[in-house]
This record gives sequence, C-alpha cells and structure tokens, in this order.
Amino acid sequence: EAEVAQSPRYKITEKSQAVAFWCDPISGHATLYWYRQILGQGPELLVQFQDESVVDDSQLPKDRFSAERLKGVDSTLKIQPAELGDSAMYLCASSPNVDSYEQYFGPGTRLTVT
Amino acid sequence: GQSLEQPSEVTAVEGAIVQINCTYQTSGFYGLSWYQQHDGGAPTFLSYNALDGLEETGRFSSFLSRSDSYGYLLLQELQMKDSASYFCAVRDNPTTSGTYKYIFGTGTRLKVLA
Repeated sequence: EAEVAQSPRYKITEKSQAVAFWCDPISGHATLYWYRQILGQGPELLVQFQDESVVDDSQLPKDRFSAERLKGVDSTLKIQPAELGDSAMYLCASSPNVDSYEQYFGPGTRLTVT
Repeated sequence: GQSLEQPSEVTAVEGAIVQINCTYQTSGFYGLSWYQQHDGGAPTFLSYNALDGLEETGRFSSFLSRSDSYGYLLLQELQMKDSASYFCAVRDNPTTSGTYKYIFGTGTRLKVLA
C-alpha cells in the first residue's frame, strides 16, 4: 500500500539554526499539506499546495518558515532560524485531488529545539 | 474565530460503547471528518460526513447535525487497540484553486480499560 514518506523522523537542533523537512506524497496525489502538531493538540495547517502552487499559507510564519514543491511532487519545509517554540511534530499529508476528503498522513518529523 | 470543541479525555471498558462529541464554529462548512491517532503515530482517516445523519463503517459510526453544528463518533465493541486520540476536522471554505482547507479539533484521548 502506498504511503506518504517523511524524513528525518527525528531532529534535534539548537535555536537559531536552520532545519529542513522533506515529504514525498503518494504518487499522483496533487494536493499536499504541511501541518504542525504540538503535543496534546490537533494538527494545525501551515501550508497547502495544489500541484506546485501554494493555495493557502495564511498560518505559515513567513518570517522564518518557507515551503516549496518545485515539480509538484515532493516538498520541503524549512525553518530558519529555529526557535524554542517550534518544537513540535511536523506532519505531511496528501490527497488525490480537490474533491477528495480523505487525507493520507506521513509518520511525521519530531522536532526538538534546544 | 474558528473553533472545534471536543472532550479532552474519555475512559471506557473493553466491549463497551463510547461516543466522542464535536461541536464546531467555523466560517464555512463542507463536511466533518474523523481521524484516529495512536501515540507517536500519524493520524489515520476514519470517516466523513457531508450531510446530516449517520454513517456506519464496521464498529465505527459517525453522525452529523449541521443545524446544531454538531457531530459525534461512536465506537462500539471497544477493544484495547482503540486506545488513541480522536480528532474531528471541519472541511472549511474552498480556496481559489478549489481545494479545501481543514481545521482540526483539539482531540479526545480515549482510554480503554480491560
């Protein structure tokens, strides 16, 4: 069964450093989401792509976060500089098309900022 | 503002039936999803309701009342493996590209006791 891949699974970084996360959605899935999940809370949408275009980044802290999906396939989320409050699970999810209501989540990247 | 309210924790015994409620207040509404997340794992899709009424999928059922801005997830014949967090998510207004944004609730931690 096809799965969403994410790497790394765990990342420890010092504050003010740069960090990047990678996501490879299920093949053929046009819609890709990046979520941040703080322990004990629900996922919060950071950015949403349709193919290579950003369709929603209203919750993305753009002074330090950036995201790209250059060829409309895999995607990278970057934080620079990292802050202590960025410690969280970063989840990537994908959906086949605009009408799909089911999101397929990857295993996530657990980020700890020290 | 936009909010989805869920009980923070529910406890039940094996074999019992449990209901997890979700009330929402969002600018748009196109459907209500439910996801299960085990500790350290990724959310997995359980069900989706776009219209009022009950949807049944095996031991799990989901209900929606749009007039009451309310839904619930019903888990029957509880098993130990059902111990997890459960999130409701509202399908919000579509973006200009036609994709939908999802807003997740705070989650309900279900503990199943032997």
